[in-house]
Amino acid sequence: DAMVIQNPRYQVTQFGKPVTLSCSQTLNHNVMYWYQQKSSQAPKLLFHYYDKDFNNEADTPDNFQSRRPNTSFCFLDIRSPGLGDAAMYLCATTAGANVLTFGAGSRLTVL
Amino acid sequence: QKEVEQDPGPLSVPEGAIVSLNCTYSNSAFQYFMWYRQYSRKGPELLMYTYSSGNKEDGRFTAQVDKSSKYISLFIRDSQPSDSATYLCAMSGGSARQLTFGSGTQLTVLP
Repeated sequence: DAMVIQNPRYQVTQFGKPVTLSCSQTLNHNVMYWYQQKSSQAPKLLFHYYDKDFNNEADTPDNFQSRRPNTSFCFLDIRSPGLGDAAMYLCATTAGANVLTFGAGSRLTVL
Repeated sequence: QKEVEQDPGPLSVPEGAIVSLNCTYSNSAFQYFMWYRQYSRKGPELLMYTYSSGNKEDGRFTAQVDKSSKYISLFIRDSQPSDSATYLCAMSGGSARQLTFGSGTQLTVLP
């Protein structure tokens, strides 16, 4: 059974129309990550939560926001998607070690 | 220069071949080395995890780390069509927050 679940798996939006991607986990891990992965590129860390402490990467655009209402859920909000934001968005969790457990990803298309 | 360099391929081999995938890195602080496998349109899944230098074997997979050369390898013996995927190397100095990924090598094993 999937332990990190991302929804939706595929999201199509229009330029500038806000999008929310969700991630839920059954592992009770205290750390959750959001990565952006473009085609043939390494996953790029956007931000992470250590429990409720939010940590933003320095180069993450302001257009990207995140919420973690409880241990199990985390959301990625893209306020005004541009064409350059089309990518796979990966949620991952860890209990604090180096090993990440990833979800299947949400593929975003921006028209 | 990127911190982690990985040949993107694509790499195409016949079934049963031995596959060698490699990454080089520049940060001597890296201590933990991982290989993730990512099937098309899916999230990465952990394949191998190694601490410091040495070899680790798991079935048909062998991971090697040579810290003196800043070079890591993944060998796949008796490759199968089900091994067709993108393989991402990843490494960190001590926490998943610092995990740095390679851009991935796309492997196709032909039946």
